[in-house]
Amino acid sequence: SQQGEEDPQALSIQEGENATMNCSYKTSINNLQWYRQNSGRGLVHLILIRSNEREKHSGRLRVTLDTSKKSSSLLITASRAADTASYFCATNYGQNFVFGPGTRLSVLP
Amino acid sequence: ETGVTQTPRHLVMGMTNKKSLKCEQHLGHNAMYWYKQSAKKPLELMFVYNFKEQTENNSVPSRFSPECPNSSHLFLHLHTLQPEDSALYLCASSQIPGSTEAFFGQGTRLTVV
Repeated sequence: SQQGEEDPQALSIQEGENATMNCSYKTSINNLQWYRQNSGRGLVHLILIRSNEREKHSGRLRVTLDTSKKSSSLLITASRAADTASYFCATNYGQNFVFGPGTRLSVLP
Repeated sequence: ETGVTQTPRHLVMGMTNKKSLKCEQHLGHNAMYWYKQSAKKPLELMFVYNFKEQTENNSVPSRFSPECPNSSHLFLHLHTLQPEDSALYLCASSQIPGSTEAFFGQGTRLTVV
């Protein structure tokens, strides 16, 4: 399966700390994307990193991609309670987006 | 707001009912998707449409019937569903299938009783 796998499944941190989530995938990709989902809502696109890129930043988000290890990481710096959500990586597979099971992040005030 | 609107937001239906979910996007995207999200399971791709043509049917049971009358609208017709079909159904669109960022609607929470 092309499906990405996020790690850890759940993460609980204190406000102000950094949160790191990892994603592994199985086959070649053109790009990898990270999404966020608040409970019971739709997914919101956070960042896209292409296969020829190694690192990308967006505000407090930093994404890295290691195609040799078929892995990516999402770092959220200086976390806030509002960052509490599920985070998913998605890889392209043909014409589709394939999502991993997600990491449930809880940021405690 | 992401530019993708789904209606209704919540739906409760009996196993013998027929209902439809609607998705609308005015982002000028060419691809539209239906995903199913069940508790504690990854998002499952159901259908993909590109330029109104169905390009992917991920072995979805025939009790789910998609319709894409134009690039801006996508429907999911439901009939004789089972309780295990209860889930959050998410619609998404993107400019290019599988290659650019996807914009998601807020989802329809479906409960089959």
